[in-house]
Amino acid sequence: DGGITQSPKYLFRKEGQNVTLSCEQNLNHDAMYWYRQDPGQGLRLIYYSQIVNDFQKGDIAEGYSVSREKKESFPLTVTSAQKNPTAFYLCASSSGGNTIYFGEGSWLTVV
Amino acid sequence: SQELEQSPQSLIVQEGKNLTINCTSSKTLYGLYWYKQKYGEGLIFLMMLQKGGEEKSHEKITAKLDEKKQQSSLHITASQPSHAGTYLCGADRGSGSARQLTFGSGTQLTVLP
Repeated sequence: DGGITQSPKYLFRKEGQNVTLSCEQNLNHDAMYWYRQDPGQGLRLIYYSQIVNDFQKGDIAEGYSVSREKKESFPLTVTSAQKNPTAFYLCASSSGGNTIYFGEGSWLTVV
Repeated sequence: SQELEQSPQSLIVQEGKNLTINCTSSKTLYGLYWYKQKYGEGLIFLMMLQKGGEEKSHEKITAKLDEKKQQSSLHITASQPSHAGTYLCGADRGSGSARQLTFGSGTQLTVLP
C-alpha cells in the first residue's frame, strides 16, 4: 500500500537521551515535513525538506535535528536539548502544490 | 505570523443534525486545508480550497472559502457517529514549493447516537 509509515508508534525517552523517529514514504513525494502536536492544540512545524540533502527549520526547530539522505526517508532526532519533548509527532509529505498527506503519528514520552 | 481561529472549540450534536465549524484567518488565505483526526492518530485529508468563493463537497461534508479568502466553513449534513473526531483547518503560507501549513487548534466533534 502507498503511504507514509512512522515508527515506532510509542517511544519512551530518559532524561538526557537522544531519540530518533522514523518516517518513510513510498508516494514519490519531493517534500516532507515534521509537525509536533500537544494535547488540545493544533500542529506546529518543526522542520521541512523540499528535496534530498536539503531541509529548513520550521517554527519550533530548537532541540530537534533532521536529515534527508534519501527521497523516501526523513528521520527526526529529538535531542537532549529539547526541554519538553513529550508530544505527538506527525510526519507528512507532498508533491508540488498538491495535498499534504500525514502518517499515523508517534507518541514520545519522557520518563 | 498567520493565525487561525477555529470555532467552536467543541461541539456535541445529536445524530442526524447539521453542524458548521468555522476557521478564520488573520491574513489572506493562499490555500485552506481541512483535515479530520481521531485521537492519537494521523490526519485524514478532507478538502483543499484555494479560490475565493470556492465550495467543495464530499459525501455529507461541504467546505467553503469566502470571497475575501479569510474565512472558511465546514458544514456536515445529517451527522453520523462516524463523523466524530477533531477537525483541523490548516492555512498554506504560500511560499515555495513546500506546503508549510499553519493550523488552528481544532474543533472536537461528538455525535450522540
